[in-house]
Amino acid sequence: ETGVTQTPRHLVMGMTNKKSLKCEQHLGHNAMYWYKQSAKKPLELMFVYNFKEQTENNSVPSRFSPECPNSSHLFLHLHTLQPEDSALYLCASSRDRAVFEAFFGQGTRLTVV
Amino acid sequence: DAKTTQPNSMESNEEEPVHLPCNHSTISGTDYIHWYRQLPSQGPEYVIHGLTSNVNNRMASLAIAEDRKSSTLILHRATLRDAAVYYCILRDERDSNYQLIWGAGTKLIIKP
Repeated sequence: ETGVTQTPRHLVMGMTNKKSLKCEQHLGHNAMYWYKQSAKKPLELMFVYNFKEQTENNSVPSRFSPECPNSSHLFLHLHTLQPEDSALYLCASSRDRAVFEAFFGQGTRLTVV
Repeated sequence: DAKTTQPNSMESNEEEPVHLPCNHSTISGTDYIHWYRQLPSQGPEYVIHGLTSNVNNRMASLAIAEDRKSSTLILHRATLRDAAVYYCILRDERDSNYQLIWGAGTKLIIKP
């Protein structure tokens, strides 16, 4: 148990669907992250929020839309995804961006059909 | 960004020490060395980090070469629960984004 909770754990969606991934942490952390982990590829940083402000968008397609309503919650809104977007989506948090230790959730396994 | 090179996989026996190597020949003076591990069906987990001196914590030890071009993560007594993919990552402290650039890691297999 890392203190970072992601829901749902598994999600199957069609290419025309809209869904959202949720991440929650009650560690008092101020930085939150979305990562994508595809089969046989390294973890890719997608978005970073620091004190609820988005500070990083690593050229992520607009069909992925993050939202950080408060420092404890992070969402990833998904719409019109492609099959190649199927992956494990991981949320992480850290006390702030500069600290060395990030805490990861267990991830949401997304399958786009 | 400085890159790391790790073996794809390693095997070790349970209850024996494990030495996981990492090469980072292009490391700069401001790069910190981080290690994370990812157990099956889990998110990554922080293990340890260091800059120049060797480091110890409850999970592992990090031995850093004097020229800093390589480092070794040491698990003193491996258990079956240590079977995971271990990632060696550099982070440039001059980078205001503090990004971790992940590689493929080493898959550690523990034999009972």
